Parts: sequence; C-alpha cells; structure tokens
Amino acid sequence: KNEVEQSPQNLTAQEGEFITINCSYSVGISALHWLQQHPGGGIVSLFMLSSGKKKHGRLIATINIQEKHSSLHITASHPRDSAVYICAVSGNNDMRFGAGTRLTVKP
Amino acid sequence: EAGVTQFPSHSVIEKGQTVTLRCDPISGHDNLYWYRRVMGKEIKFLLHFVKESKQDESGMPNNRFLAERTGGTYSTLKVQPAELEDSGVYFCASSQTLNTGQYFGPGTRLTVL
Repeated sequence: KNEVEQSPQNLTAQEGEFITINCSYSVGISALHWLQQHPGGGIVSLFMLSSGKKKHGRLIATINIQEKHSSLHITASHPRDSAVYICAVSGNNDMRFGAGTRLTVKP
Repeated sequence: EAGVTQFPSHSVIEKGQTVTLRCDPISGHDNLYWYRRVMGKEIKFLLHFVKESKQDESGMPNNRFLAERTGGTYSTLKVQPAELEDSGVYFCASSQTLNTGQYFGPGTRLTVL
C-alpha cells in the first residue's frame, strides 16, 4: 500500500465544472505538496501547505492534519487544466508521491 | 530567474551502456533532489544533496547509480551499466531550505533498449 493515496485515478469533467481531487497519507509529514504535470512536460509545484487552506487563482488546496487528508479544488475548470495532478508529502529529507490523478477537461 | 534545468531531455541507450544526467538547480538553492518515475509507478525519491553533501541517499536503487554534486552547484546522476528497468523519467528539484517549496526541472526521459 502506497503511503500517499490519491483519488480518483482518472477524472473527466466538462468545462466549467468544479473539480475535487483527494489525497490521504499515512506518514508523519512536514508539508504536503500539490504538483501539476502536463503531457510531455515537467512538473510544476502548485502548492506547499502544512495547515489550513491556500488559494491561487481558481485553485484551492486544503489540508486536515488530524485526518491526514488534503484536497485540491479547481473552480470553473477549463480544458487547459487538463494534466496529471500529483500529491506529495515531505518529511525530513525526502518526498513521497501519490500515483497522480489524470484530469481531462472537455470543452 | 532561471528555473531548474536538466540535460538531456531525452536519452536512448542500450543495455549495458553508461548515461550521465545533469541537473542545474536554481542559483542559491542549497538543496537538490533527484527523483524518478518508472512506467506506471509513482514518482520515487532517489537522493538529497545539501550543497555538495549527500544528506539522504536511501532511495538510490543500487550501486549502478552514482550521484555527485561537486562544488555544490550542478549535480550529475550516472547510471553504469544501464539496465532495462532503469527506463523512466528522472526529475531533479531544488529548494532554498528544507522548509521552502521544491522547484522541479523538466525531467530527463531515459529509455534503455
């Protein structure tokens, strides 16, 4: 069992829909990261958070430390949001990754 | 400010050959990390440098992998000899401190035939 679990694995949405991707982890962490990887592209760090909530444009990330759970929300989704979204947790020196959620937003 | 760069972007080699991947972190970032993603699996941590010192290399799969960061600037990851299962995408990331976000490079796609 992976220490970082994401759901769903794949998600297809219509443009404009509100999207939620979930992440649960089973290890102690210093921070949780949400990353975005476009097809054929590198990885972009979206958020790093250790408590509460962060917002950047149409993206919102929340974390509940007690429940070891985080969510990434995308409001008013757009086809350009199509990518793989990866949850990762960092401990002392390393980072552990979820398998990713492949999001496809159709026009 | 330039981001993390990696070279080459793609490498195709035959089993048994040697390949060296390079990562140039963001200037001033003491922390440098190597990760890899093999087909169908999640990204795995390989190792972490603080300046030129290996802070944690617990993720290195075996002694065919050698990472260096001479002078604490760029880093190289050498695979010698390469095996089929080494195929994947190798990512490098850097951060200013342990508590700041990591900036990822574009990755090097390695294919071992």
